[in-house]
Amino acid sequence: SSELTQDPAVSVALGQTVRITCQGDSLRSYYASWYQQKPGQAPVLVIYGKNNRPSGIPDRFSGSSSGNTASLTITGAQAEDEADYYCNSRDSSGNHLNVVFGGGTKLTVL
Amino acid sequence: QVQLVQSGAEVKKPGASVKVSCKASGYTFTSYYMHWVRQAPGQGLEWMGIINPSGGSTSYAQKFQGRVTMTRDTSTSTVYMELSSLRSEDTAVYYCARGSIAAAQVTDYWGQGTLVTVSS
Repeated sequence: SSELTQDPAVSVALGQTVRITCQGDSLRSYYASWYQQKPGQAPVLVIYGKNNRPSGIPDRFSGSSSGNTASLTITGAQAEDEADYYCNSRDSSGNHLNVVFGGGTKLTVL
Repeated sequence: QVQLVQSGAEVKKPGASVKVSCKASGYTFTSYYMHWVRQAPGQGLEWMGIINPSGGSTSYAQKFQGRVTMTRDTSTSTVYMELSSLRSEDTAVYYCARGSIAAAQVTDYWGQGTLVTVSS
């Protein structure tokens, strides 16, 4: 199956911009989706498709993609953005419905 | 509003099976896929498989082939995930998550999670 690789941890100063990346071969064919997970809570979808935000997600969250790399950018990070972030995408090998998640990135807001 | 409500926590012995339910409401049950994703303590998200509630077709991650079964009951808008031959490494929170028919990997609503503990 395909794999998606994320940096384990990233930090950002309050109010600054941070980019979280996700790499994998499947991203050449499929968009990534991005999820925010806070301790003890279920994941929440923050970005999907080319650069779409579900209702209620602040516009400081944005997504982009180039080649085998997808990125989640938080412009003007807030304290409440401290969380784990996961990307996912279709698995480009095997059944077309199969999905793969990245290992997650722990974001610390300083 | 869309809701996915999962069954309660379970404690199982090694070698046993567990069946977790996920009751959907607030949308047309057969118009969206349902995924199962698990998260071991302190670990990341792991995709287990997907079911199409419309026809009941499934696809499972290779890691769980032969041990996992996903089913649905359209009369109650409920999907089920059964995992057999449990071992300690299966201790995790299990989530159901709704997937778009247009883009299955986009999971826009998640259940609250069900903790399954495997211990002798």
